[in-house]
Amino acid sequence: KQEVTQIPAALSVPEGENLVLNCSFTDSAIYNLQWFRQDPGKGLTSLLLIQSSQREQTSGRLNASLDKSSGRSTLYIAASQPGDSATYLCAVKANQGGKLIFGQGTELSVKP
Amino acid sequence: DAGVIQSPRHEVTEMGQEVTLRCKPISGHNSLFWYRQTMMRGLELLIYFNNNVPIDDSGMPEDRFSAKMPNASFSTLKIQPSEPRDSAVYFCASSLAGTTEAFFGQGTRLTVV
Repeated sequence: KQEVTQIPAALSVPEGENLVLNCSFTDSAIYNLQWFRQDPGKGLTSLLLIQSSQREQTSGRLNASLDKSSGRSTLYIAASQPGDSATYLCAVKANQGGKLIFGQGTELSVKP
Repeated sequence: DAGVIQSPRHEVTEMGQEVTLRCKPISGHNSLFWYRQTMMRGLELLIYFNNNVPIDDSGMPEDRFSAKMPNASFSTLKIQPSEPRDSAVYFCASSLAGTTEAFFGQGTRLTVV
């Protein structure tokens, strides 16, 4: 059974710092991995999608990497800003059209 | 596109009442997912459909929960009878199976008193 773990559960950093959020999964047979952002009381916003054949994806200040063999993904946020404060969730999909299995999320707070 | 649209945004109901949550997926998407989010358990998949057909309903808590997708542009999640432990935020998501990126609605916050 696939399990997804995110560490740390919460993180507080001063504005301007570069930071890394971690996601690990137990079954390396994934189709893709997706990072989401969730603001309090809101839905999930897709940030980056990495297909199983890819090693990384970049969007602006965000970079996500994937190492299937070790069951790990990282989300790197450069030059963090207070507006980055949110909960970040990673999710893996086992096959095309299949369900997403989520981690518990990392709650990020960026202090001005 | 307006994205995934869920209604209502908030629902407060009394224990024992029937609750129906609605979802309109992104036009052209052929996979639809219902998730439930609680503080204790995080995001849990309840059921998902491909091409309007339920594929995996193993996450549906019990017989009180049922979901339908009568056509490609509409799905419902029904709870009958509702119980206080059903209180949660229910999310609907859709994707185009080939591209696989999933898009989520804003959720329905359900409170059963």
